[in-house]
Amino acid sequence: GQQVEQSPASLVLQEGENAELQCTYSTTLNSMQWFYQRPGGRLVSLLYSPSWAEQRGGRLTSSAASNESRSSLHISSSQITDSGTYLCAPGPNTGKLTFGDGTVLTVKP
Amino acid sequence: ETAVFQTPNYHVTQVGNEVSFNCKQTLGHDTMYWYKQDSKKLLKIMFSYNNKQLIVNETVPRRFSPQSSDKAHLNLRIKSVEPEDSAVYLCASSYLGAYEQYFGPGTRLTVL
Repeated sequence: GQQVEQSPASLVLQEGENAELQCTYSTTLNSMQWFYQRPGGRLVSLLYSPSWAEQRGGRLTSSAASNESRSSLHISSSQITDSGTYLCAPGPNTGKLTFGDGTVLTVKP
Repeated sequence: ETAVFQTPNYHVTQVGNEVSFNCKQTLGHDTMYWYKQDSKKLLKIMFSYNNKQLIVNETVPRRFSPQSSDKAHLNLRIKSVEPEDSAVYLCASSYLGAYEQYFGPGTRLTVL
């Protein structure tokens, strides 16, 4: 089956710094969805891209290189409230999502 | 309010008991999913239904059985729970061709 890996596993930033989270996968895909989850919280969709196009949403940008099977989530000017787990889920034709293990982001004041 | 709703929020039970979880979506989607999130926060697909028809059935123990009465409802029954079933069960929905999925708040199951 498809393998999805995220890096780094954890990341600690000072408030205001930028972050880049990586997601690599083993097969050609049709879409990418990035999620955010606080401890014990709901899985919240951040960005969704139906193709390998750059997607922007406020301080978040998702970009991908289709020939490298890799996608990145960029968080600019990080805030303390950005702390949590970020999950990537490349989407195959069947519609079922295969999730990476997540990156735990901690933003300190 | 349009969203994905799950009940119960929490459930504590003992090994061997039967449990049922409910999921309802009011987003007008035609496809619903069950995911399992373990203690390490790893998320894995279990089942997917499109208009009451099972379309994805990953390798899960046979004690797990999904049930769908219509495209807006998808339930999950676990017969004779085991300790390894302790996890958060997440329900999601989408349009079949869109792949962007919306998740419910989850049901946390603890098996003693």
